Amino acid sequence: DVKVTQSSRYLVKRTGEKVFLECVQDMDHENMFWYRQDPGLGLRLIYFSYDVKMKEKGDIPEGYSVSREKKERFSLILESASTNQTSMYLCASNTIRGGNQPQHFGDGTRLSIL
Amino acid sequence: AQSVTQPDIHITVSEGASLELRCNYSYGATPYLFWYVQSPGQGLQLLLKYFSGDTLVQGIKGFEAEFKRSQSSFNLRKPSVHWSDAAEYFCAVGGTTSGTYKYIFGTGTRLKVLA
Repeated sequence: DVKVTQSSRYLVKRTGEKVFLECVQDMDHENMFWYRQDPGLGLRLIYFSYDVKMKEKGDIPEGYSVSREKKERFSLILESASTNQTSMYLCASNTIRGGNQPQHFGDGTRLSIL
Repeated sequence: AQSVTQPDIHITVSEGASLELRCNYSYGATPYLFWYVQSPGQGLQLLLKYFSGDTLVQGIKGFEAEFKRSQSSFNLRKPSVHWSDAAEYFCAVGGTTSGTYKYIFGTGTRLKVLA
Protein backbone atom coordinates (compact mmCIF):
# COMPACT_ATOMS: atom_id res chain seq x y z
CA ASP A 1 0.00 0.00 0.00
CA VAL A 2 1.20 3.48 -0.84
CA LYS A 3 2.10 5.55 2.15
CA VAL A 4 2.45 9.31 2.11
CA THR A 5 3.68 10.62 5.44
CA GLN A 6 3.51 14.23 6.54
CA SER A 7 5.86 15.03 9.38
CA SER A 8 3.39 16.92 11.58
CA ARG A 9 -0.37 16.65 12.07
CA TYR A 10 -0.59 19.97 13.92
CA LEU A 11 1.81 22.89 13.90
CA VAL A 12 1.66 26.30 15.54
CA LYS A 13 4.07 29.03 14.43
CA ARG A 14 4.42 32.77 14.77
CA THR A 15 4.14 35.47 12.14
CA GLY A 16 7.42 36.00 10.32
CA GLU A 17 8.86 32.58 11.10
CA LYS A 18 10.25 30.33 8.37
CA VAL A 19 8.17 27.15 8.37
CA PHE A 20 9.02 23.78 6.86
CA LEU A 21 6.41 21.13 6.08
CA GLU A 22 7.85 17.76 5.15
CA CYS A 23 6.33 14.97 3.08
CA VAL A 24 7.73 11.52 2.31
CA GLN A 25 6.31 8.83 0.01
CA ASP A 26 7.45 5.23 -0.16
CA MET A 27 6.29 4.14 -3.63
CA ASP A 28 8.92 5.62 -5.91
CA HIS A 29 6.35 8.01 -7.39
CA GLU A 30 7.58 10.56 -9.90
CA ASN A 31 5.08 13.27 -9.03
CA MET A 32 4.52 15.01 -5.73
CA PHE A 33 2.10 17.80 -4.88
CA TRP A 34 1.34 20.32 -2.16
CA TYR A 35 -2.23 21.52 -1.72
CA ARG A 36 -3.88 23.94 0.59
CA GLN A 37 -7.40 23.15 1.80
CA ASP A 38 -9.75 25.84 3.12
CA PRO A 39 -13.49 25.54 3.84
CA GLY A 40 -15.60 26.21 0.76
CA LEU A 41 -12.56 26.47 -1.51
CA GLY A 42 -11.69 22.80 -1.92
CA LEU A 43 -8.08 21.89 -2.68
CA ARG A 44 -5.85 24.48 -4.28
CA LEU A 45 -2.53 23.47 -5.77
CA ILE A 46 0.47 25.34 -4.41
CA TYR A 47 3.36 23.59 -6.15
CA PHE A 48 4.11 20.27 -7.74
CA SER A 49 7.22 18.38 -8.75
CA TYR A 50 7.57 15.80 -11.50
CA ASP A 51 11.18 14.86 -10.81
CA VAL A 52 14.02 15.46 -8.42
CA LYS A 53 15.01 19.14 -8.36
CA MET A 54 12.14 19.95 -10.72
CA LYS A 55 9.18 22.05 -9.64
CA GLU A 56 6.28 23.89 -11.16
CA LYS A 57 4.05 26.57 -9.71
CA GLY A 58 0.46 25.68 -9.07
CA ASP A 59 -2.44 28.05 -8.70
CA ILE A 60 -1.42 29.81 -5.47
CA PRO A 61 2.40 29.77 -5.15
CA GLU A 62 2.81 33.24 -3.63
CA GLY A 63 4.48 33.14 -0.23
CA TYR A 64 5.60 29.54 -0.65
CA SER A 65 8.59 27.68 -2.04
CA VAL A 66 9.42 23.98 -2.34
CA SER A 67 12.40 21.67 -2.35
CA ARG A 68 12.82 18.22 -3.80
CA GLU A 69 16.36 16.98 -3.28
CA LYS A 70 15.41 13.30 -3.17
CA LYS A 71 12.69 11.48 -5.07
CA GLU A 72 10.80 10.41 -1.97
CA ARG A 73 10.77 13.76 -0.16
CA PHE A 74 8.99 17.00 -1.02
CA SER A 75 9.20 19.97 1.32
CA LEU A 76 6.96 23.03 1.45
CA ILE A 77 8.53 26.19 2.83
CA LEU A 78 6.77 29.28 4.10
CA GLU A 79 9.52 31.87 3.83
CA SER A 80 7.91 34.33 6.25
CA ALA A 81 4.71 32.98 7.70
CA SER A 82 1.64 35.17 7.78
CA THR A 83 -1.73 34.69 9.46
CA ASN A 84 -3.45 34.20 6.10
CA GLN A 85 -1.42 31.04 5.66
CA THR A 86 -3.27 29.37 8.51
CA SER A 87 -4.78 26.35 6.80
CA MET A 88 -4.77 22.58 6.26
CA TYR A 89 -1.90 21.48 4.02
CA LEU A 90 -2.08 18.22 2.10
CA CYS A 91 0.73 16.41 0.35
CA ALA A 92 0.06 13.91 -2.44
CA SER A 93 1.98 11.75 -4.85
CA ASN A 94 1.30 9.69 -7.95
CA THR A 95 2.97 7.84 -10.77
CA ILE A 96 2.56 8.33 -14.47
CA ARG A 97 3.56 4.74 -15.24
CA GLY A 98 0.64 3.22 -17.12
CA GLY A 99 -0.98 6.60 -17.57
CA ASN A 100 -1.88 9.34 -15.12
CA GLN A 101 -2.73 7.48 -11.94
CA PRO A 102 -4.75 8.58 -8.90
CA GLN A 103 -3.06 10.74 -6.33
CA HIS A 104 -2.36 9.31 -2.88
CA PHE A 105 -2.66 11.72 0.03
CA GLY A 106 -1.07 12.14 3.40
CA ASP A 107 -3.18 12.85 6.50
CA GLY A 108 -2.52 16.56 6.32
CA THR A 109 -0.85 19.18 8.49
CA ARG A 110 -3.09 21.69 10.20
CA LEU A 111 -0.96 24.83 10.46
CA SER A 112 -1.84 27.79 12.65
CA ILE A 113 0.07 31.04 12.33
CA LEU A 114 -0.33 33.32 15.34
CA ALA B 1 -11.63 26.62 -18.94
CA GLN B 2 -11.15 23.41 -17.03
CA SER B 3 -13.34 23.09 -13.98
CA VAL B 4 -15.16 20.72 -11.66
CA THR B 5 -18.48 21.66 -10.08
CA GLN B 6 -20.08 20.00 -7.11
CA PRO B 7 -23.35 21.90 -6.82
CA ASP B 8 -24.31 20.59 -3.37
CA ILE B 9 -22.25 21.96 -0.49
CA HIS B 10 -24.14 19.96 2.14
CA ILE B 11 -26.36 16.90 1.87
CA THR B 12 -28.24 15.20 4.71
CA VAL B 13 -29.68 11.70 4.38
CA SER B 14 -31.08 9.16 6.78
CA GLU B 15 -29.18 5.98 7.47
CA GLY B 16 -30.32 3.29 5.04
CA ALA B 17 -31.46 5.79 2.40
CA SER B 18 -29.93 6.01 -1.05
CA LEU B 19 -27.38 8.68 -1.93
CA GLU B 20 -26.37 10.54 -5.05
CA LEU B 21 -23.66 13.20 -5.08
CA ARG B 22 -23.39 15.30 -8.21
CA CYS B 23 -20.28 16.21 -10.15
CA ASN B 24 -20.04 18.12 -13.43
CA TYR B 25 -16.81 18.82 -15.22
CA SER B 26 -15.46 20.90 -18.04
CA TYR B 27 -12.33 19.53 -19.64
CA GLY B 28 -10.89 19.93 -23.10
CA ALA B 29 -9.52 16.44 -23.55
CA THR B 30 -10.59 12.96 -22.50
CA PRO B 31 -10.62 13.12 -18.72
CA TYR B 32 -9.65 10.79 -15.97
CA LEU B 33 -12.29 11.11 -13.25
CA PHE B 34 -12.01 10.37 -9.55
CA TRP B 35 -14.03 10.46 -6.36
CA TYR B 36 -12.28 10.86 -3.02
CA VAL B 37 -13.60 10.80 0.54
CA GLN B 38 -12.17 12.74 3.47
CA SER B 39 -13.06 11.83 7.04
CA PRO B 40 -12.57 14.54 9.68
CA GLY B 41 -8.91 15.28 10.34
CA GLN B 42 -7.74 12.90 7.64
CA GLY B 43 -6.34 13.09 4.14
CA LEU B 44 -8.24 12.11 1.02
CA GLN B 45 -8.90 8.46 0.24
CA LEU B 46 -9.66 7.28 -3.28
CA LEU B 47 -13.15 5.79 -3.65
CA LEU B 48 -13.11 5.04 -7.36
CA LYS B 49 -11.75 6.13 -10.70
CA TYR B 50 -12.82 6.19 -14.33
CA PHE B 51 -10.27 5.99 -17.10
CA SER B 52 -12.13 4.35 -20.00
CA GLY B 53 -14.41 1.45 -20.84
CA ASP B 54 -17.55 0.65 -18.87
CA THR B 55 -19.15 3.92 -17.82
CA LEU B 56 -20.41 2.49 -14.54
CA VAL B 57 -17.52 1.99 -12.16
CA GLN B 58 -17.51 0.27 -8.81
CA GLY B 59 -15.47 1.51 -5.89
CA ILE B 60 -14.74 0.73 -2.29
CA LYS B 61 -17.25 0.90 0.58
CA GLY B 62 -20.16 0.04 -1.75
CA PHE B 63 -19.95 3.22 -3.84
CA GLU B 64 -20.39 3.43 -7.61
CA ALA B 65 -20.26 6.23 -10.14
CA GLU B 66 -21.54 6.67 -13.67
CA PHE B 67 -19.73 8.61 -16.38
CA LYS B 68 -22.08 10.40 -18.76
CA ARG B 69 -20.12 12.10 -21.50
CA SER B 70 -23.17 13.84 -23.01
CA GLN B 71 -23.91 15.50 -19.66
CA SER B 72 -20.28 15.99 -18.59
CA SER B 73 -21.20 14.33 -15.33
CA PHE B 74 -19.71 11.76 -13.00
CA ASN B 75 -22.21 11.29 -10.17
CA LEU B 76 -21.46 9.17 -7.13
CA ARG B 77 -24.11 6.80 -5.78
CA LYS B 78 -24.68 4.40 -2.92
CA PRO B 79 -27.88 2.39 -2.52
CA SER B 80 -27.90 2.37 1.30
CA VAL B 81 -25.94 4.84 3.38
CA HIS B 82 -24.27 3.88 6.66
CA TRP B 83 -23.58 6.28 9.52
CA SER B 84 -19.84 5.80 8.89
CA ASP B 85 -20.25 7.39 5.43
CA ALA B 86 -20.55 10.82 7.00
CA ALA B 87 -17.59 12.70 5.53
CA GLU B 88 -16.67 15.17 2.81
CA TYR B 89 -16.57 13.95 -0.76
CA PHE B 90 -14.49 15.41 -3.57
CA CYS B 91 -14.77 14.90 -7.29
CA ALA B 92 -11.60 15.42 -9.34
CA VAL B 93 -10.54 15.39 -12.98
CA GLY B 94 -7.07 14.68 -14.30
CA GLY B 95 -5.53 14.76 -17.71
CA THR B 96 -4.83 11.86 -20.00
CA THR B 97 -2.32 13.80 -22.01
CA SER B 98 1.26 12.84 -21.35
CA GLY B 99 2.90 15.52 -19.29
CA THR B 100 -0.37 16.75 -17.83
CA TYR B 101 0.24 16.55 -14.14
CA LYS B 102 -2.39 18.75 -12.64
CA TYR B 103 -5.65 17.58 -11.17
CA ILE B 104 -8.67 19.80 -10.66
CA PHE B 105 -10.77 19.24 -7.55
CA GLY B 106 -14.32 20.29 -6.84
CA THR B 107 -15.08 22.25 -3.69
CA GLY B 108 -16.53 19.20 -1.98
CA THR B 109 -19.89 17.96 -0.66
CA ARG B 110 -20.25 17.41 3.05
CA LEU B 111 -22.50 14.44 3.86
CA LYS B 112 -24.40 14.20 7.12
CA VAL B 113 -26.13 10.93 8.03
CA LEU B 114 -29.09 10.89 10.40
CA ALA B 115 -29.57 7.88 12.63
